[in-house]
Amino acid sequence: DGGITQSPKYLFRKEGQNVTLSCEQNLNHDAMYWYRQDPGQGLRLIYYSQIVNDFQKGDIAEGYSVSREKKESFPLTVTSAQKNPTAFYLCAISMGVRETQYFGPGTRLLVL
Amino acid sequence: EDQVTQSPEALRLQEGESSSLNCSYTVSGLRGLFWYRQDPGKGPEFLFTLYSAGEEKEKERLKATLTKKESFLHITAPKPEDSATYLCAVQDSGTYKYIFGTGTRLKVLA
Repeated sequence: DGGITQSPKYLFRKEGQNVTLSCEQNLNHDAMYWYRQDPGQGLRLIYYSQIVNDFQKGDIAEGYSVSREKKESFPLTVTSAQKNPTAFYLCAISMGVRETQYFGPGTRLLVL
Repeated sequence: EDQVTQSPEALRLQEGESSSLNCSYTVSGLRGLFWYRQDPGKGPEFLFTLYSAGEEKEKERLKATLTKKESFLHITAPKPEDSATYLCAVQDSGTYKYIFGTGTRLKVLA
């Protein structure tokens, strides 16, 4: 089955803990993105990657880190430096940065 | 500053009652305008891309139009299954960055 997968669907973080959200795709798209969605706000870009081993900060990168070691995978780590991590996290892909973005199912992160 | 404003914030329609959602935007250069549908707890589902003023796209009961300053998503004879949040985004032609609106929550009553 082709597409974009995100896991887990729900994730709980304890105070001071780093957590990693997974995003995988098998559509051979070059560009991958991470967005954060909060109630009453538009989607905000955290990080994006155009090619393997390269990524750029988005508008709200502080407290987050990413890696792009494989074309299929773009994991997002929410570090303890992110003081307000509760949100719905969305991964998106596109064939290139000029092209239409398609979204995964999302991961909801909650703080214990 | 690039900005996208969607109105209304929420809309309740009776089944079969046609209406339109608005997306107004300011962007230094428009590469494209995108409409997505988002169901609660799920990721946005792509609907349409519009590239230039005057362009129109249709899919089932939905029709999207674009002018130089705004886009409309027309919903004709909606059904309860059309209930969702509809998101609009514009892509800046210089940075290729997407700027999203906050969405319109549509509820269609049977």
